[in-house]
Amino acid sequence: EDQVTQSPEALRLQEGESSSLNCSYTVSGLRGLFWYRQDPGKGPEFLFTLYSAGEEKEKERLKATLTKKESFLHITAPKPEDSATYLCAVRVYSSASKIIFGSGTRLSIRP
Amino acid sequence: DGGITQSPKYLFRKEGQNVTLSCEQNLNHDAMYWYRQDPGQGLRLIYYSQIVNDFQKGDIAEGYSVSREKKESFPLTVTSAQKNPTAFYLCASSGQGDPQPQHFGDGTRLSIL
Repeated sequence: EDQVTQSPEALRLQEGESSSLNCSYTVSGLRGLFWYRQDPGKGPEFLFTLYSAGEEKEKERLKATLTKKESFLHITAPKPEDSATYLCAVRVYSSASKIIFGSGTRLSIRP
Repeated sequence: DGGITQSPKYLFRKEGQNVTLSCEQNLNHDAMYWYRQDPGQGLRLIYYSQIVNDFQKGDIAEGYSVSREKKESFPLTVTSAQKNPTAFYLCASSGQGDPQPQHFGDGTRLSIL
């Protein structure tokens, strides 16, 4: 069964303290992996798409990387405004339209 | 600006009542989706539609119904058969080509009176 697992469930950091969020996946065939940011009471906001192992994407303090089994979202010198839930999702070859979402990592940055 | 509009933001349902959540997009996307989000859980797919007048059940379609009469609109009805409807409902759309990311509205929070 296709599965996406995110860890940790919650992460509290001090402002400026860099860290990484993990998304591990067990799927029959990966078409693409997506990262989203979700603020409380809002819909997810698209951040990155990664297609193949070894690929990296960057946006401001965020960098996403992909291996054959997992993806990392690295956050460098975070600020309080980076506090949000970060969701990982994968599209698999076995389903043309379905995306499988992880349950997210709640990131909190203390000033 | 192009985007997805969900309404209302908050909705309350009485026992035995059907309620309809609105989702409109002006992104000219062919595919539209409805998800349910519960605390501590990932998004679960209710229904999706890849083209007008066609839609498919997702993982948790029981107690829900949809229609897709126009490209830009994909309303979701939560029927009285859905016994645990309290949740945050999200509508999304995606364009052609694969894999395309889904773009989301800001959700409707449904509660039971």
